[in-house]
Amino acid sequence: DAGVIQSPRHEVTEMGQEVTLRCKPISGHDYLFWYRQTMMRGLELLIYFNNNVPIDDSGMPEDRFSAKMPNASFSTLKIQPSEPRDSAVYFCASNSGELISGNTIYFGEGSWLTVV
Amino acid sequence: GIQVEQSPPDLILQEGANSTLRCNFSDSVNNLQWFHQNPWGQLINLFYIPSGTKQNGRLSATTVATERYSLLYISSSQTTDSGVYFCAVEPAGGSYIPTFGRGTSLIVHP
Repeated sequence: DAGVIQSPRHEVTEMGQEVTLRCKPISGHDYLFWYRQTMMRGLELLIYFNNNVPIDDSGMPEDRFSAKMPNASFSTLKIQPSEPRDSAVYFCASNSGELISGNTIYFGEGSWLTVV
Repeated sequence: GIQVEQSPPDLILQEGANSTLRCNFSDSVNNLQWFHQNPWGQLINLFYIPSGTKQNGRLSATTVATERYSLLYISSSQTTDSGVYFCAVEPAGGSYIPTFGRGTSLIVHP
């Protein structure tokens, strides 16, 4: 398997613009997570999905952030409008959720977002 | 929610040295994993270890679930071991939300 695939890898955008980050989880994985990493706050869980359904979005910072998972192989995280404080690395991760298989979480390579 | 504390926050080693990284958690867990984030930002799973001991080459990990801690041992460290080591736990009770510690930043000098 190719692993969790994220795009874009790097994005620089101006304040106020819309940003869309994309993720393709590992085939067969039922759980998908969006994390944000900053120096100040470390790795924060923003939202996670189970079988394409959002389960917990309590980590989404504010209404400017939204996430969707229209099917089992694709998810988006959208920021509209973007602000400089949104600059961070955004990781997508997936796992099978089965304890018997070790429940290992696999991360994508991250999307490095800079808002100027 | 569950609290995850890692120590030390920073560690500098000379190549060849051994080290122990610690992860304490505040509540019962179903799952614990150790990750290495390399200097390029990639997060790689090292161990899935909710209890017991595992070894993989120069790395080994031990989790004592009853005492709510896990240890990651790095022996004969190499410069490629540099990066940040994260512990992530999934609280007991059916939630699959992995909660990460703040990590231990390791620098190995040649």
